[in-house]
Order: sequence, then structure tokens, then C-alpha cells
Amino acid sequence: QITVKESGPNLVRPTQTLTLTCTFSGLSLTTSGVSVGWIRQPPGKALEWLAVIYWDDDKRYNSSLKSRVTITKDTSKNQVVLTMTNMDPVDTATYYCAHMRLLSTWHRVGFFDYWGQGTLVTVSS
Amino acid sequence: DIVLTQSPGTLSLSPGERATLSCRASQSVSSNYLAWYQQKPGQAPRLLIYGASSRATGIPDRFSGSGSGTDFTLTISRLEPEDFAVYFCQQYGGSLSTFGQGTKLEIK
Repeated sequence: QITVKESGPNLVRPTQTLTLTCTFSGLSLTTSGVSVGWIRQPPGKALEWLAVIYWDDDKRYNSSLKSRVTITKDTSKNQVVLTMTNMDPVDTATYYCAHMRLLSTWHRVGFFDYWGQGTLVTVSS
Repeated sequence: DIVLTQSPGTLSLSPGERATLSCRASQSVSSNYLAWYQQKPGQAPRLLIYGASSRATGIPDRFSGSGSGTDFTLTISRLEPEDFAVYFCQQYGGSLSTFGQGTKLEIK
């Protein structure tokens, strides 16, 4: 059974850097075909895909946030870390980590079948 | 990036009725790589449908997905009280993934 859980600060000041950790079990980022991504959702608004990291350390980013977002993995801890620089109040959202299911290893975009509970991050001075 | 437009924004129906939700893409979605999610207040999204028409594990058969190219539909054949929620579509056929803005299904 796959479980996913996000952790990190609930409050971040404007211009600061946000660091979120995703800890998962039931899967390994050393296994071919496995990928984990981050998605966020401002209060009352739509979902926005942020970034994904793959078993072979390939990474993809939302083009509108690419300059601010970095995703890394620590396979020994079964963790994926998202950092987002220069935080602004418009970045206030629930941030979700999720397993991205790939239907093939050559098409590296998939759907999200296991989600964490999410963590609400508020950006405010 | 492929833009997904969901309609209607809000759908008001009664339990037992049939619900039809639409998701339209700005360009054709490769291989019908389209998923649907259900989200209840305070909860993470739950995967319902992938590949436009395949139900995820444990999803009741009253949920069905259809469509191809740029037009996709989620149908709930007979609404149960627990089905009232927000529904999102997601395309994963492009080089990057995008989500629709959601349809809120509320009790009439």
C-alpha cells in the first residue's frame, strides 16, 4: 500500500524560501517507472501542477514557475523535497505531494493515483 | 500548454439524478490521456477515471468517463449523497500536465 505525507512550515514570510518534504512508503524512487510530483491549490481554486521527479533523477517543472521551483529526492529516506523561492501572498495554498502513475517510461506525464493529505502554507508578513 | 475548460461551473441536482460534467481541451489530448478527480471539502483529490474511460480501483460503476480528442465527459448515472463534491479533469497527454478549473456538484 502506498502512503504519502507532506510536511513543512504553515507560515512563510514574503520573499522567503519555502521548503516542503514529501515522505512516502510502499514505493521507491530507485525503481524504474516511479515518479512523484507536487501540486498546489489556492483556497477555493483549481489545482496547479508544480513539478515532478523521476526514478532516474529527471525533473520536469511547470513553465510558469520554473525559475522559482526546485525538486530533489533522497532515496535513502524515501523523500522528495520541493523548494520555492521568493514566496508571495499569492502562493498561499494547500500543497500536495502525489505519486504520478506513468503508463510508459517514454511518455513521462501521468495521472496522480496516491495523494498526501496536503499541507496549507500561508504567505504573510 | 493545453488549457482545459470545465462546464458547467456549478451543477445543481438531486440524489438519484444523472450528472453530466464536461471537460474541453484547447487542443487534442494525445492517446486520450485524460483523468477525472473528485474532491470533498478538506480532503485531497481522489482519482476516479484515467485514460478517459478506465475506472480507478474501488470506484463505483455509477461513475463513467467518455470522450476523445478535445471533448470529454464524466457521467454519474445515479447520484448518491456522497457524490456531491468538486470534480476536476487533468490531461497528461502533453509534455506537461494541466488541470481544469473544476465543476462543483451541489445538492438542489
